[in-house]
Amino acid sequence: QITLKESGPTLVKPTQTLTLTCTFSGFSLSTGGVGVGWIRQPPGKALEWLALLFWNDDRRYSLSLKSRVTITKDTSKNQVVLTMTNMDPVDTATYYCAHSSGYYQYYFDYWGQGTLVTVSS
Amino acid sequence: QSVLTQPPSVSAAPGQKVTISCSGSSSNIGNNYVSWYQQLPGTAPKLLIYDNNKRPSRIPDRFSGSKSGTSATLGITGLQTGDEADYYCGTWDGSLGAVVFGGGTKLTVL
Repeated sequence: QITLKESGPTLVKPTQTLTLTCTFSGFSLSTGGVGVGWIRQPPGKALEWLALLFWNDDRRYSLSLKSRVTITKDTSKNQVVLTMTNMDPVDTATYYCAHSSGYYQYYFDYWGQGTLVTVSS
Repeated sequence: QSVLTQPPSVSAAPGQKVTISCSGSSSNIGNNYVSWYQQLPGTAPKLLIYDNNKRPSRIPDRFSGSKSGTSATLGITGLQTGDEADYYCGTWDGSLGAVVFGGGTKLTVL
């Protein structure tokens, strides 16, 4: 059974760096074809994809956020970490991590419950 | 402004059928697989359709997907009140080098 869970601060101040951890079970990021992505959703708004990390360490980033976002993995801990610098109130959103399979098929078949991050001074 | 265009809302009566459209371009839908997600109020999105028309085993066959050219469609038959949710389409955009989602469609079952 595949599960994912996001963890990190619920409140960050403007200009600070956000670090979110996705801890997963039921699969390994060393298995061919597997990926873990991050998607966010501002309150009342649509989904926005942020980043995707594949089993082979290949990475994809949203163009609009590429300069601010980094995605890394710790395979031994079954964790994927998202770092976003220079946080702004417009970054207030629920952040989800999700499992992707199928060798670069770019869909997400299992999602975490999400964690709400508020950016405010 | 989303790269993929969906109607903001659709509605239908219980037991009826509804379709939700997702319009894109040759850089996204036209040359890549489409997926669909259901987001019930207050919950995380759930995958309904992948590779244009395939359903995960846990998804009932009331849900179907199709693609033609640069547009995709999600169909839901035998509508139930429990289907009231937001629905999102998604795909890869080769020009942007990014996963893109539609703006979402709110389904109301009257």
